[in-house]
Amino acid sequence: EPEVTQTPSHQVTQMGQEVILRCVPISNHLYFYWYRQILGQKVEFLVSFYNNEISEKSEIFDDQFSVERPDGSNFTLKIRSTKLEDSAMYFCASRFSTDTQYFGPGTRLTVL
Amino acid sequence: LAKTTQPISMDSYEGQEVNITCSHNNIATNDYITWYQQFPSQGPRFIIQGYKTKVTNEVASLFIPADRKSSTLSLPRVSLSDTAVYYCLVGDMNTGNQFYFGTGTSLTVIP
Repeated sequence: EPEVTQTPSHQVTQMGQEVILRCVPISNHLYFYWYRQILGQKVEFLVSFYNNEISEKSEIFDDQFSVERPDGSNFTLKIRSTKLEDSAMYFCASRFSTDTQYFGPGTRLTVL
Repeated sequence: LAKTTQPISMDSYEGQEVNITCSHNNIATNDYITWYQQFPSQGPRFIIQGYKTKVTNEVASLFIPADRKSSTLSLPRVSLSDTAVYYCLVGDMNTGNQFYFGTGTSLTVIP
């Protein structure tokens, strides 16, 4: 069964550093999403991406964040200058059309 | 966007049927209702999705009344491995630009 994959599973970085989280969505999917989940809290929507552009973004997704689909298979989330409060699990999700979203296993980001 | 409200937590004994209800009073005409299961440090896993009436699959049933202002996830004969957080999401699957998770229901299955 096809699945969404994410790398790395755990990323540790120093405050102020740039990080890139990578996702490989399911191959025929058209809609792509990033969510984050701070430890012990609910899953929060960050951004949706369709047809090579951002469809919607939440208040969390400020100028420090960017997304890209560089090569037709990967979907990346970049945080330009990480803050302590960016420490969280980051989940990528994808869906085909009116189908449901399928989530990846997540990347745990730890900012020191 | 339709906001969802669920009980924060529930306990159940193994082998029992569990029903988790979600309120979504301002659900829109094109919104679908989707339930996810999440284990600690894992991504949400799709359980079931519906628009109205009743949907059943191999793991759960979803009951949606005619007014669609609430929905109930039914898990038959739960086991210890069903201990998880269950989220109800409401969203337009045709546009699907934003999906907001509520606080979820933490289900604990007791031996």
